[in-house]
Amino acid sequence: QSALTQPRSVSGSPGQSVTISCTGTSSDVGGYNYVSWYQQHPGKAPKLMIYDVSKRPSGVPDRFSGSKSGNTASLTISGLQAEDEADYYCCSYAGSYTSVVFGGGTKLTVL
Amino acid sequence: EVQLVESGGGLVQPGGSLRLSCAASGFTFSSYSMNWVRQAPGKGLEWVSYISSSSSTIYYADSVKGRFTISRDNAKNSLYLQMNSLRDEDTAVYYCARIYDSSGYFDYWGQGTLVTVSS
Repeated sequence: QSALTQPRSVSGSPGQSVTISCTGTSSDVGGYNYVSWYQQHPGKAPKLMIYDVSKRPSGVPDRFSGSKSGNTASLTISGLQAEDEADYYCCSYAGSYTSVVFGGGTKLTVL
Repeated sequence: EVQLVESGGGLVQPGGSLRLSCAASGFTFSSYSMNWVRQAPGKGLEWVSYISSSSSTIYYADSVKGRFTISRDNAKNSLYLQMNSLRDEDTAVYYCARIYDSSGYFDYWGQGTLVTVSS
């Protein structure tokens, strides 16, 4: 199972919006609505931000939203804040735990 | 409050063994499937192993199959990972993570424990 493809880095100024893409195949991202996104600050554990493509867990600000089109999922962060600066990972579950695959991660820099 | 606390990491020589533990609290441990996910230094996340709530179903990534064994003790609210025949490429922070079975997302993570394989 190949890793999902994410841009290595994205950046934006406070208040702006940024979108992080996550490209897979019809066997993972495109075939199932089981894409999740995780935020990871340096030295910290990952934190679930989006699940089932577009659902937000309790406590996650509504500035974070997810979507999917074909084989590409996206995480959009609007109204960027300094604390959003972190690494973001997408993950696809294709109905079997042996097919759980993560993206390579995207470093978000808030300018 | 859900808490997952890993322990057991450390420095081990190639070919050696190590046993990781994850102590769970704040939820009914016996009702949830659990996983180990690892992250090599400066790298991304890699799923390692899955165990169902009753231990009846277990999966491993190809990279660790035959060398690692996942287990759990629901009476002790604990998850384990026995790692044998360790290789340099097993060096990573190992996280235990609770999984929501229906959709395959990891809703809670521990803080991780570092395993370093080096001579």
